Amino acid sequence: AQKVTQAQTEISVVEKEDVTLDCVYETRDTTYYLFWYKQPPSGELVFLIRRNSFDEQNEISGRYSWNFQKSTSSFNFTITASQVVDSAVYFCALSEAWSEKLVFGKGTKLTVNP
Amino acid sequence: AAGVIQSPRHLIKEKRETATLKCYPIPRHDTVYWYQQGPGQDPQFLISFYEKMQSDKGSIPDRFSAQQFSDYHSELNMSSLELGDSALYFCASSLSGTPLGEQYFGPGTRLTVT
Repeated sequence: AQKVTQAQTEISVVEKEDVTLDCVYETRDTTYYLFWYKQPPSGELVFLIRRNSFDEQNEISGRYSWNFQKSTSSFNFTITASQVVDSAVYFCALSEAWSEKLVFGKGTKLTVNP
Repeated sequence: AAGVIQSPRHLIKEKRETATLKCYPIPRHDTVYWYQQGPGQDPQFLISFYEKMQSDKGSIPDRFSAQQFSDYHSELNMSSLELGDSALYFCASSLSGTPLGEQYFGPGTRLTVT
């Protein structure tokens, strides 16, 4: 069975600090996809990144970076120089090749204080 | 670019009433997914359709039913509403044959049951 664990329920930082959101996943499939979504207070789910299980290259997009390590089944997300607008709930999610449904973690609520 | 459209965006119903949520996928997308997100919870997969046929089913109550029509839009019908059905309902769409996991989420319908 697939499972996503986000151990950090809430994180609070001061603007310009770097912050890492942890995500650990479980799956028996060898082909799977990992995602990060941002959910601001307005409620919509904003897609941030999708990574397949065969691509372990880390990725950087502006202030965002992702570290995918199959050896530890982790897909961590780092925000560099955080800003108040980064305040949101961040979800890590997993989908397996045989079923396209997304399984989400419980989410991490990030608060960036000015 | 056209996005997933959900209507209505907000809906208030009383207990034991019925509700119908509509989802219009991105043009040419043939697969639709429904997710339910309770207050402070992560989104939970309910059901999906491909080419008008149910393709996967999650923890959808028997009081709920859904279908996909010939124009690929989908409707989620909810009967005998309970207070616990109050949630944000997301629809997502994808195009079969594209890389797995490319689901595009709509803005959600916020259902409040009083």
